Amino acid sequence: QQQVKQSPQSLIVQKGGISIINCAYENTAFDYFPWYQQFPGKGPALLIAIRPDVSEKKEGRFTISFNKSAKQFSLHIMDSQPGDSATYFCAASIANDYKLSFGAGTTVTVRA
Amino acid sequence: NAGVMQNPRHLVRRRGQEARLRCSPMKGHSHVYWYRQLPEEGLKFMVYLQKENIIDESGMPKERFSAEFPKEGPSILRIQQVVRGDSAAYFCASSPGQGKKKTEAFFGQGTRLTVV
Repeated sequence: QQQVKQSPQSLIVQKGGISIINCAYENTAFDYFPWYQQFPGKGPALLIAIRPDVSEKKEGRFTISFNKSAKQFSLHIMDSQPGDSATYFCAASIANDYKLSFGAGTTVTVRA
Repeated sequence: NAGVMQNPRHLVRRRGQEARLRCSPMKGHSHVYWYRQLPEEGLKFMVYLQKENIIDESGMPKERFSAEFPKEGPSILRIQQVVRGDSAAYFCASSPGQGKKKTEAFFGQGTRLTVV
């Protein structure tokens, strides 16, 4: 049973557009929500992370929005670039548990 | 500052052989995790270790799989008598385990195991 559900499975966006990836969770004990970026043949790289005490976090062109009551969080990639083409994974963990529960991933393709 | 180092990057084993995957955590990190990624799927947690201790192995198959993180040397994920279904990418991650960013996990490049 997947604890974190991610959608869409894939998306195509034009250069300069906005990519939006959504995740939902059930376990209210989760309190750490990172996003990872993975290029083919590489390991996942930590992109940005948020905790439930804030509703939004922005780092450069990447923004996480967090809705605690809906148990949802999303990643927005602004001004998408071809170099952003990768698979993105959302994840969640409990403070003293450490292990991450991952979503199934979203493959983003940015067309020039 | 070297990241998480995994070797080998690619490993081919015949059915019934043993596979040993190695992971050296980032400098200063005392917590190690192993995850498995099947094609077109997300990562699945396998085991969480600290030096000389297995903390959580709830994601490990009950048979043929074992992991260790000795006092000296890398963490080892061992798969005995491999079967075709073990073919996957195995990723190791490490985190500091303490401090403000204690849960921030960094992943290695992975070992891609192919069982033929």
